[in-house]
Amino acid sequence: DAGVTQSPTHLIKTRGQQVTLRCSPISGHKSVSWYQQVLGQGPQFIFQYYEKEERGRGNFPDRFSARQFPNYSSELNVNALLLGDSALYLCASSLNSQTNEKLFFGSGTQLSVL
Amino acid sequence: AQSVTQLGSHVSVSEGALVLLRCNYSSSVPPYLFWYVQYPNQGLQLLLKYTSAATLVKGINGFEAEFKKSETSFHLTKPSAHMSDAAEYFCAVSESGYSTLTFGKGTMLLVSP
Repeated sequence: DAGVTQSPTHLIKTRGQQVTLRCSPISGHKSVSWYQQVLGQGPQFIFQYYEKEERGRGNFPDRFSARQFPNYSSELNVNALLLGDSALYLCASSLNSQTNEKLFFGSGTQLSVL
Repeated sequence: AQSVTQLGSHVSVSEGALVLLRCNYSSSVPPYLFWYVQYPNQGLQLLLKYTSAATLVKGINGFEAEFKKSETSFHLTKPSAHMSDAAEYFCAVSESGYSTLTFGKGTMLLVSP
């Protein structure tokens, strides 16, 4: 069975541009979460979606948005990119949205903002 | 608010030696605690999790962790390090009703022959 897949794997953008990152969860998983991992830091929670509804949002500006589709795949959008948005963006899926539910992480999208 | 502190950004051990990675947490409610491992250019993989069932938790690859409420700690150990254990390890806590994790800054484990 395929794991969590993210695309693209690498992306280079310039300041002010917009970017869309994509995530396909494991088959049967209904919850998708997004995390930002800046070099040298632990991942930081951005969003969680379950059954196409936003269930949680981390401390990120409104430039960050996301959505989940009927097939449970998800997109993360970042507008007006800043240099500080350069990071590894990780997507994780789980069966549901319970606290101790095991998260399965994808390999991430490495975003570089120049 | 919940938080996690990992002591030591880098830990070096010799192959066959004891591995000890430290994690202290802060939580206003009984926490759920996790250890994840990240190999280069890969996502995170769950090693083990504490969900109040037992204070000593056994995980994959020979790792285990002990929850000590009095010390607010959840240290990760492995009796004998292997070269393949070299990776970055993250401790994480969750206290909300949904699977949102707060991670520590990570500890890079270096294993020398």
